[in-house]
Amino acid sequence: DVKVTQSSRYLVKRTGEKVFLECVQDMDHENMFWYRQDPGLGLRLIYFSYDVKMKEKGDIPEGYSVSREKKERFSLILESASTNQTSMYLCASNMGATNYGYTFGSGTRLTVV
Amino acid sequence: EDQVTQSPEALRLQEGESSSLNCSYTVSGLRGLFWYRQDPGKGPEFLFTLYSAGEEKEKERLKATLTKKESFLHITAPKPEDSATYLCAVRSGATNKLIFGTGTLLAVQP
Repeated sequence: DVKVTQSSRYLVKRTGEKVFLECVQDMDHENMFWYRQDPGLGLRLIYFSYDVKMKEKGDIPEGYSVSREKKERFSLILESASTNQTSMYLCASNMGATNYGYTFGSGTRLTVV
Repeated sequence: EDQVTQSPEALRLQEGESSSLNCSYTVSGLRGLFWYRQDPGKGPEFLFTLYSAGEEKEKERLKATLTKKESFLHITAPKPEDSATYLCAVRSGATNKLIFGTGTLLAVQP
């Protein structure tokens, strides 16, 4: 089975801190995605990547950046955390150039205080 | 604009009481409609992909169907363990991005 692993289940950070959320997949998938999920708003795409060192903005990239130095790892960075970034963050991956669905990680619940 | 709307927002059923969840969509060039199940505090778990109108997929007590404007997730004789949020998503055009609905929260009472 494809596994997408997110390094932390729960995080509590202070306003202004730089926050790193890590995601690793073990099935050699080309595509990786970062979403945030909020009640009533559903899943919203932050950033995605189709290849190593490649990134594209999703629908809500403001306040975030990403890094993909290796194919299996996709990191989400909050440069200066704010309380409105308190959310559930979900990483996903799938094979390139396919219509397959995504495989999601278990999520990281981030609270910014 | 591509859009996905799910209804109802929440549904409470008695064990064994069959029902359906709806996912209506507008998309330019459907390249797949996806159903996911999400348990509290966890990531979505893939259930089905449907590609063309008339297609149906089944898994245990779940059956997904697709028309040109909507998809239904039919739940037959549900059990309490079917309680979860069910998410619908579509992929449009030449992109690989999924557009999600806000989900239906299903509670099945024993």
